[in-house]
Amino acid sequence: GQNIDQPTEMTATEGAIVQINCTYQTSGFNGLFWYQQHAGEAPTFLSYNVLDGLEEKGRFSSFLSRSKGYSYLLLKELQMKDSASYLCAVRDSNYQLIWGAGTKLIIKP
Amino acid sequence: ETGVTQTPRHLVMGMTNKKSLKCEQHLGHNAMYWYKQSAKKPLELMFVYNFKEQTENNSVPSRFSPECPNSSHLFLHLHTLQPEDSALYLCASSQDGSGGVGEQFFGPGTRLTVL
Repeated sequence: GQNIDQPTEMTATEGAIVQINCTYQTSGFNGLFWYQQHAGEAPTFLSYNVLDGLEEKGRFSSFLSRSKGYSYLLLKELQMKDSASYLCAVRDSNYQLIWGAGTKLIIKP
Repeated sequence: ETGVTQTPRHLVMGMTNKKSLKCEQHLGHNAMYWYKQSAKKPLELMFVYNFKEQTENNSVPSRFSPECPNSSHLFLHLHTLQPEDSALYLCASSQDGSGGVGEQFFGPGTRLTVL
């Protein structure tokens, strides 16, 4: 079966750095996505990786290792507004997204 | 209106009611999706439409019936639902096959409660 694993919840301090991991087992791979979802709101697209390596976008970076079936989202200089759930999703061989259950990130002052 | 809109935002219905959820995308995309989001569970893909044609139906019970009259509008018709169908229903759209990333853009969702 297809499976996406990510931690259920993480806590970090304002101004710090946090890394959210995602491991996957899917039938085929056509890219990995990270989305942010604030409570009661729609998921919004953060990043996309299809080749191995690091993609940087401001305070957020996303890393992919296809051989290990592994990705992480790195958030730097954490702000209170970064408190949200972070969803990892993999596009499989049928070009459908397989989603993880999300990681709830709690930022403390 | 911009992006993806959904109505209603909240819906409470009895098990014998019939209701419809509406989604509209203003992005010129060619694919639209219905997802179910339950607490602490992954997003569940329900239906996919590409150029108004249904291309995916992930074993969804027949009490959920999608309709896509054109590439900008998507409906989810509900009838004789069960309490376990209570969830957030999200609509999304994407531009597929254009060589881009094809990320999905989500609407705000309809919070459905079945009594």
